[in-house]
Amino acid sequence: LAKTTQPISMDSYEGQEVNITCSHNNIATNDYITWYQQFPSQGPRFIIQGYKTKVTNEVASLFIPADRKSSTLSLPRVSLSDTAVYYCLVGDRASGSARQLTFGSGTQLTVLP
Amino acid sequence: DVKVTQSSRYLVKRTGEKVFLECVQDMDHENMFWYRQDPGLGLRLIYFSYDVKMKEKGDIPEGYSVSREKKERFSLILESASTNQTSMYLCASSSGSGFSDTQYFGPGTRLTVL
Repeated sequence: LAKTTQPISMDSYEGQEVNITCSHNNIATNDYITWYQQFPSQGPRFIIQGYKTKVTNEVASLFIPADRKSSTLSLPRVSLSDTAVYYCLVGDRASGSARQLTFGSGTQLTVLP
Repeated sequence: DVKVTQSSRYLVKRTGEKVFLECVQDMDHENMFWYRQDPGLGLRLIYFSYDVKMKEKGDIPEGYSVSREKKERFSLILESASTNQTSMYLCASSSGSGFSDTQYFGPGTRLTVL
């Protein structure tokens, strides 16, 4: 299983760019990397997914180096409403068992005014 | 808009009771999941289902069972609730043949077992 490791917490100030890194040393060839955001008293919500290099959407960017043993979620110009827990998930998109899905323990991002 | 609903937001039960947690999705998704979430441990997969009447154990199935009689409904059953099953329970669903496809989560049920 591709175990993931993330920092437990991070602090940032409004307007700054935030980078959260997830380590997944045992990632398999068919695994994709997905990031979720979770606010208190809500279920996680999909942010972004990628396989290699860089992916960008209207919310975030995801950077994946060539060896794919880590990935970095980048949030541009964060605001107070970005305070949440961010989870990294590694799993096989094409097939296989959901037992291969591994959520990290999450990173609590706190954005300060 | 995608929607996953869970039968209760908060639930209090006594040790030894049989507990049913219900989850319904309106997206015609094939896959449904039950997780529990505990401080410092993140999300841990209890059971998942990839079709009606089909199920597989996740990482921590002990003390739980599931039922999926209809495509839109996935139930988690605690056969005899214990205090160590006090937790937040999250249901999710996804489409496609790969389980890494986007999962849509419900709001969660906070279960307290006394």
